[in-house]
Amino acid sequence: DSGVTQTPKHLITATGQRVTLRCSPRSGDLSVYWYQQSLDQGLQFLIQYYNGEERAKGNILERFSAQQFPDLHSELNLSSLELGDSALYFCASSGGTGDEQYFGPGTRLTVT
Amino acid sequence: GQNIDQPTEMTATEGAIVQINCTYQTSGFNGLFWYQQHAGEAPTFLSYNVLDGLEEKGRFSSFLSRSKGYSYLLLKELQMKDSASYLCAVRARSGYSTLTFGKGTMLLVSP
Repeated sequence: DSGVTQTPKHLITATGQRVTLRCSPRSGDLSVYWYQQSLDQGLQFLIQYYNGEERAKGNILERFSAQQFPDLHSELNLSSLELGDSALYFCASSGGTGDEQYFGPGTRLTVT
Repeated sequence: GQNIDQPTEMTATEGAIVQINCTYQTSGFNGLFWYQQHAGEAPTFLSYNVLDGLEEKGRFSSFLSRSKGYSYLLLKELQMKDSASYLCAVRARSGYSTLTFGKGTMLLVSP
């Protein structure tokens, strides 16, 4: 158990819908990262927050957005969902900007 | 840009030793990480190298050559539970923990 929690574990929704994925980092960690993992693309970095502020952006679509709240939990919002958005979404956390990342169990999103 | 290459699949026998290679081309370098990921589960941290040389951690060791853009993960005394995907990831800039992952090497350990 990494100490990072994610909810929900599974999510099934239809195209065009909007969903919110939630992540709570390990106690004391200030950085939160979001990743998308699909079979053909591997683990793709989406976005990083550090202590409430956006720190780095990866291959995140404009339909996707995220935020980190004062209690350091984070949410990833996915809108106008497409079939291709079906994937595992992982959240990771680290203590600062230079530490190894610890991953949550992931949310499996299925768009039908 | 970042480019990280790993073999797609490897097979090995229980009790043997296997070496998984990773080559990278990145704009800047500030550390290389290895993660293990079982199917459908979260990646778990295995090792970190930032200086050249070998880091040993029980049955797992990781090597780095910055001049060659090359790393390997060495797994000794293989066990069935080592069957998993092994992900190589590079951190390109200091002060940031953003990682770029390779596509992973699927290791199958057979009896």
